[in-house]
Amino acid sequence: KAGVTQTPRYLIKTRGQQVTLSCSPISGHRSVSWYQQTPGQGLQFLFEYFSETQRNKGNFPGRFSGRQFSNSRSEMNVSTLELGDSALYLCASSPGGITDTQYFGPGTRLTVL
Amino acid sequence: QKEVEQNSGPLSVPEGAIASLNCTYSDRGSQSFFWYRQYSGKSPELIMSIYSNGDKEDGRFTAQLNKASQYVSLLIRDSQPSDSATYLCAAENYGGSQGNLIFGKGTKLSVKP
Repeated sequence: KAGVTQTPRYLIKTRGQQVTLSCSPISGHRSVSWYQQTPGQGLQFLFEYFSETQRNKGNFPGRFSGRQFSNSRSEMNVSTLELGDSALYLCASSPGGITDTQYFGPGTRLTVL
Repeated sequence: QKEVEQNSGPLSVPEGAIASLNCTYSDRGSQSFFWYRQYSGKSPELIMSIYSNGDKEDGRFTAQLNKASQYVSLLIRDSQPSDSATYLCAAENYGGSQGNLIFGKGTKLSVKP
């Protein structure tokens, strides 16, 4: 079974721009969660989508948004990028949700200049 | 602000010893707890989940939960150099209609041959 894939793997943007990251879950998984990982703050939960609906949400500003398509693929968008948004963005998929066994993708490394 | 606290380490143990990793959480409403392992440069992987007070064993790993003390621990018996990684503790809690998964910043474990 193919694992979780994320594209692109690396991205460089400048302040004020917006960015869209993509995540393809493991086949059959309906839940996709997004995380931000930085050296200072560690791993932080952004949000979870299940069957195209946002079901759970962490403490991030509205600049961070996401969506999920009918094939369970998910996108995350960050608008008006700030320097502090530089991070590794991970997505994880699971059959049932954030309390299930989640399988993480390799991540997208975003650098904001 | 709901928090999960871990000693950042590094925790160094000799091969074959028991490694004890600890975690405290601030939200009494948390019901589900997780231990993730993250090797350097890799994505996290779930190794244990625990929902009830007491111990839960899986191979060389034992998770312990004490909700009264708001304390979660992970014991690794017969530690191996391959166990050297950062271990992340996470707690799930619900506020309103949506859940959140809060991670500690991780404890770095080093197992010396």
